[in-house]
Amino acid sequence: QKEVEQDPGPLSVPEGAIVSLNCTYSNSAFQYFMWYRQYSRKGPELLMYTYSSGNKEDGRFTAQVDKSSKYISLFIRDSQPSDSATYLCAMDSSYKLIFGSGTRLLVRP
Amino acid sequence: DAGVTQSPTHLIKTRGQQVTLRCSPKSGHDTVSWYQQALGQGPQFIFQYYEEEERQRGNFPDRFSGHQFPNYSSELNVNALLLGDSALYLCASRGGGEQYFGPGTRLTVT
Repeated sequence: QKEVEQDPGPLSVPEGAIVSLNCTYSNSAFQYFMWYRQYSRKGPELLMYTYSSGNKEDGRFTAQVDKSSKYISLFIRDSQPSDSATYLCAMDSSYKLIFGSGTRLLVRP
Repeated sequence: DAGVTQSPTHLIKTRGQQVTLRCSPKSGHDTVSWYQQALGQGPQFIFQYYEEEERQRGNFPDRFSGHQFPNYSSELNVNALLLGDSALYLCASRGGGEQYFGPGTRLTVT
């Protein structure tokens, strides 16, 4: 079993839709949780950084962490074609990041 | 702020050769990590450098080695290249809790 599981998609939605991206993990010691966006052949871009359980909002993006269920989510409101990318969840394990395999998102105009 | 920079952008090498990749961290960051990302996969941790010492290492063979310089920049060296080493190599710098990635170096081994 992988430490971090993420549905690879692809996930295709119409412009303006609310997108929900999710990851599950197995190591209860993880305390810091991140979401990165990666465009094709580019480096990952940090979108959200959260500590422990709870919600964090930044513009159209909301990150949720449920440590009791070992489940994290990223919500994108009013999705745009420019949001089409691969979204990677990551967990901080003693300063090294453990990544999911990424979910490909396509937002159709 | 230039962010994390990496060079070169692309590289083509032959099996058995050696390669050196370079990284300059974000201004004010003193910790550099290297990751390997195969096509369609998430990045895999190779190792991390802090104060010119390797602080942590992932599950990669000794063919992968690194170095950090006094100005916090770093190099990743891979010896005896294999076809399976073809990947995007990412450098990340950390100056607190968050890690920021560079654009990567795409290595192709033929």
